[in-house]
Amino acid sequence: GEDVEQSLFLSVREGDSSVINCTYTDSSSTYLYWYKQEPGAGLQLLTYIFSNMDMKQDQRLTVLLNKKDKHLSLRIADTQTGDSAIYFCAESFPWGGYNKLIFGAGTRLAVHP
Amino acid sequence: NAGVTQTPKFQVLKTGQSMTLQCAQDMNHNSMYWYRQDPGMGLRLIYYSASEGTTDKGEVPNGYNVSRLNKREFSLRLESAAPSQTSVYFCASSPTSGTGTNPPPQHFGDGTRLSIL
Repeated sequence: GEDVEQSLFLSVREGDSSVINCTYTDSSSTYLYWYKQEPGAGLQLLTYIFSNMDMKQDQRLTVLLNKKDKHLSLRIADTQTGDSAIYFCAESFPWGGYNKLIFGAGTRLAVHP
Repeated sequence: NAGVTQTPKFQVLKTGQSMTLQCAQDMNHNSMYWYRQDPGMGLRLIYYSASEGTTDKGEVPNGYNVSRLNKREFSLRLESAAPSQTSVYFCASSPTSGTGTNPPPQHFGDGTRLSIL
């Protein structure tokens, strides 16, 4: 069945780069997403990549997709304390009458001075 | 600039009580979703509504009912609450249900934190 896995915690120093990794199982995924959740808030879409792309860059964010290994990563350059949050990876694919999203359990990013 | 609004933000219920969680979006989206988020797990889909007038079961529909009241509003009802339904509930919406090659992203509300004693 479909599954998305992420490491649970990542701690980085302010100013360093953060890399959050994700693996997924379903090869029929159409899009892969990164969402950010701050305490007490809902999920905010950060970026997404179509499954036939290898890389997407958006300001400080770089998404890398290795479709052969079913591995997705999110790199945050010059990480700031405001980047501290939980980051969710999600894959989407057609399922019945809609586009199904499968989420990972989330990676908690802690940024320290 | 409200986006997706959920009410209430917090609720405590006793086992067996009923409750309706409300969700409204002001983005003229066709599709709406209800998820639950449990510790150490990703979000799981309870029900969705691809368009006004339609609803379908997601991964974990047991113990819940939904109503797509109109294009803006999608409510989730717990008829007889159980401790296993203690969770954070998120409503989301998207322009369409996204079948095909260009699935739109989903926009989320801030959640309802529900505790059942």
